[in-house]
Amino acid sequence: KAGVTQTPRYLIKTRGQQVTLSCSPISGHRSVSWYQQTPGQGLQFLFEYFSETQRNKGNFPGRFSGRQFSNSRSEMNVSTLELGDSALYLCASSLRGLDTEAFFGQGTRLTVV
Amino acid sequence: QQQVKQSPQSLIVQKGGISIINCAYENTAFDYFPWYQQFPGKGPALLIAIRPDVSEKKEGRFTISFNKSAKQFSLHIMDSQPGDSATYFCAASMRGGTSYGKLTFGQGTILTVHP
Repeated sequence: KAGVTQTPRYLIKTRGQQVTLSCSPISGHRSVSWYQQTPGQGLQFLFEYFSETQRNKGNFPGRFSGRQFSNSRSEMNVSTLELGDSALYLCASSLRGLDTEAFFGQGTRLTVV
Repeated sequence: QQQVKQSPQSLIVQKGGISIINCAYENTAFDYFPWYQQFPGKGPALLIAIRPDVSEKKEGRFTISFNKSAKQFSLHIMDSQPGDSATYFCAASMRGGTSYGKLTFGQGTILTVHP
């Protein structure tokens, strides 16, 4: 069974640009959550999608957005990039997003210069 | 109330020793407590998880101890090996409400096992 796939693995962007990251969950999993990981703040929840609907959102500015497609694949978008957005962005998939096990992808390393 | 506090920040153990990492939470609505292991350049991997209806869960060399009244839980790694050297995260979540898909993580513990 294939794991969670995130693309691309690495990205370098300039301040002010926007970026789109992609996540393909484990087959059969309908919930996708996104996290930001930084050395200072640790792992912080961004948002969760289930059946193309955002059900939960963390405390991040509106520049961070996402969506989910009918095949459960998800994308997250960050607009007007700031230096502080440099981080490892992780997605996790689970069956239902409630109390089921969540499995993480390898992440996308975003560097904003 | 949403925080999960993890200690120690770093831990050095000799091969064959026991590694112990502790976490504490405040929100009594949390009802699922997983531990994740992360190697450099990789995403976190689910190691073991526990629910508050049991006080201990063991899987191989890894054991979670859970103290509901103290709102604490810990990870014990028996017979620690150099290959266990990684960053470990505790986490907590709750069912339903507006908490879908959200894990609240501790700050992580960097474990180094010396051969």
